[in-house]
Amino acid sequence: KAGVTQTPRYLIKTRGQQVTLSCSPISGHRSVSWYQQTPGQGLQFLFEYFSETQRNKGNFPGRFSGRQFSNSRSEMNVSTLELGDSALYLCASSFGQGPIDEQYFGPGTRLTVT
Amino acid sequence: AQSVTQLDSHVSVSEGTPVLLRCNYSSSYSPSLFWYVQHPNKGLQLLLKYTSAATLVKGINGFEAEFKKSETSFHLTKPSAHMSDAAEYFCVVSPPGFQKLVFGTGTRLLVSP
Repeated sequence: KAGVTQTPRYLIKTRGQQVTLSCSPISGHRSVSWYQQTPGQGLQFLFEYFSETQRNKGNFPGRFSGRQFSNSRSEMNVSTLELGDSALYLCASSFGQGPIDEQYFGPGTRLTVT
Repeated sequence: AQSVTQLDSHVSVSEGTPVLLRCNYSSSYSPSLFWYVQHPNKGLQLLLKYTSAATLVKGINGFEAEFKKSETSFHLTKPSAHMSDAAEYFCVVSPPGFQKLVFGTGTRLLVSP
């Protein structure tokens, strides 16, 4: 069974630009979560989508947004990029219907903002 | 609010010696607790999870963790370290009813020959 895939794996952008990251979950999984990992703040939850609806949201500014498609694939968008947005962005998928649902992580997208 | 505290940022062991990575949790409810491992340039992998079925949880690659409510701890152990265990380990709590993981700050495990 194929794992969680994220594209692109590496990205370099300039301040002020916007970026879109993509995540394809494991087949059959309907929940997709996004996390940001930085050396200073560690791993932080961004948001979670289930059946095309945002179910949970972390404490990030409105520049960070996402969406989920009918095939459960998800995209994350960051507008007006800042230097501090440089991070590893991780996507995780799960069935999303149980209280303690194992999440499977993709390899991440490394975003560098210059 | 639920949170976890990983007591050591770095732990160094010799190959073949025991591993102990410490984690304390804070939770108003009976928590769901996890340990994840992250190898360099790779995604996160679930080692084990505690879901109140048993206090001693066995995971992959010989790791296990014991949930101690009286000490609010969920320490990760392994009897004998391998070079391949060198990685960053995260203790994680999940608030009930949410598909959301709250990560600790991580412990980097170094294994020397």
